[in-house]
Amino acid sequence: SAVISQKPSRDICQRGTSLTIQCQVDSQVTMMFWYRQQPGQSLTLIATANQGSEATYESGFVIDKFPISRPNLTFSTLTVSNMSPEDSSIYLCSVNKGLYTEAFFGQGTRLTVV
Amino acid sequence: RKEVEQDPGPFNVPEGATVAFNCTYSNSASQSFFWYRQDCRKEPKLLMSVYSSGNEDGRFTAQLNRASQYISLLIRDSKLSDSATYLCVVNFGGGADGLTFGKGTHLIIQP
Repeated sequence: SAVISQKPSRDICQRGTSLTIQCQVDSQVTMMFWYRQQPGQSLTLIATANQGSEATYESGFVIDKFPISRPNLTFSTLTVSNMSPEDSSIYLCSVNKGLYTEAFFGQGTRLTVV
Repeated sequence: RKEVEQDPGPFNVPEGATVAFNCTYSNSASQSFFWYRQDCRKEPKLLMSVYSSGNEDGRFTAQLNRASQYISLLIRDSKLSDSATYLCVVNFGGGADGLTFGKGTHLIIQP
C-alpha cells in the first residue's frame, strides 16, 4: 500500500485566484495522477504527473489551467489557476505502485470557488 | 475509447439481503479491474481486485467475464455499514494512463 498526504483538505477561494494542492507519498512511486470529482459525479483523470518532465494531460485539461509539478518520486503539486465557480470540486492525488495494480488515493481537497 | 458503465441506483436493500452489481467496459484489451468503495465526502478505497478466475473476500465476491466485457460484485448478508457508493474501475492499458472510473452504484442498506 501507500500512505498519501494531501493538503489542504479544503479551501474556499475567490474567483480569479489560484490554489496549489500538495501531495506527499511515503515511498517512491513512478506513477502519480491527479483526478477531479465534481459533485455527484465519478472521478475524471486530469493528468499524469511525470517526474522530470511535463505532465501528460487528458482531453479537456490544459497546462495553463492546471499546471503540475513533480520534482521527485514522492511529491507532486497541482495548481488550479484563475479559478471560477465551475472549478468547485474535489481534487484527488493518486499513485500506482506498478503496472496493472490498484491505485491509492490521498484524502482529497474539497475546493469551493465563490 | 475508454468507457465504464454502471447502474447508478440507488439500490435500497434490507439488511441481511444479498445484492449484486454489474459493470460493463468498452475495451476488450483491458488489463485489470477493481471495485472501489467511496463513502460520502471521502476518497475512494480499494474494496477488491477482480481476477479472471473470480475471487472472494469474506461476504464479497467479484467476477470477471471477458467475453461479455463485464465485471460483477456480489455482497452477501449485507450490513448497514455496506451503505456506500461502489465504483467499478478499469485499467485500460498499462497503468501509465491511470484508471477509468465508472460513475458508481449507490447502495443503501436499510434496517
